[in-house]
Amino acid sequence: AQKVTQAQTEISVVEKEDVTLDCVYETRDTTYYLFWYKQPPSGELVFLIRRNSFDEQNEISGRYSWNFQKSTSSFNFTITASQVVDSAVYFCALSERAAGANSKLTFGKGITLSVRP
Amino acid sequence: DSGVTQTPKHLITATGQRVTLRCSPRSGDLSVYWYQQSLDQGLQFLIQYYNGEERAKGNILERFSAQQFPDLHSELNLSSLELGDSALYFCASSKTQGPIYNEQFFGPGTRLTVL
Repeated sequence: AQKVTQAQTEISVVEKEDVTLDCVYETRDTTYYLFWYKQPPSGELVFLIRRNSFDEQNEISGRYSWNFQKSTSSFNFTITASQVVDSAVYFCALSERAAGANSKLTFGKGITLSVRP
Repeated sequence: DSGVTQTPKHLITATGQRVTLRCSPRSGDLSVYWYQQSLDQGLQFLIQYYNGEERAKGNILERFSAQQFPDLHSELNLSSLELGDSALYFCASSKTQGPIYNEQFFGPGTRLTVL
């Protein structure tokens, strides 16, 4: 069975600090997909990134960067120079390919990030 | 705006009642997924439909049921409601099911409050 662990529950930083959100996953599948979603106070779920298991290249998008390490089953998310607008709950999620028709997302419990001015 | 619409946005009802949540997927998307977000259980997958057929089931209670209609919109029916059913219910859609992965785009959610 697949599992996503986000050990950090709440993180509070001051604006302009860098912050890393940790995600550890478990899966028996050799091909899988990892995701990060953002849930701002308004409640919607905003897709941030998808990473395929066969692509370990790290990615940077503006102030956001993702570090995927298969060896440690981790997919960590770093926000550089955090801003108040980054305050939200961040979810890491996993989808297994072997499930075939079942491409459900398994979510971690989420990390509440508060960025103080 | 993800292109997925959900109605109603808020729903307040009493224990024992039945409600229907509605979801319209993005244009061209054939798969619809339902998720429940509650304080104690977090975000959980409930059920998936593909082109009108049920394809996968997660932790969905027997009191809950869903269907996808020929026009591809989906409805989630919750009956004999209990206080613990209070949650945010999300619908998501994607173009296909596996093996080629397509992003799931989420609707704004329906917040259900059972009093």
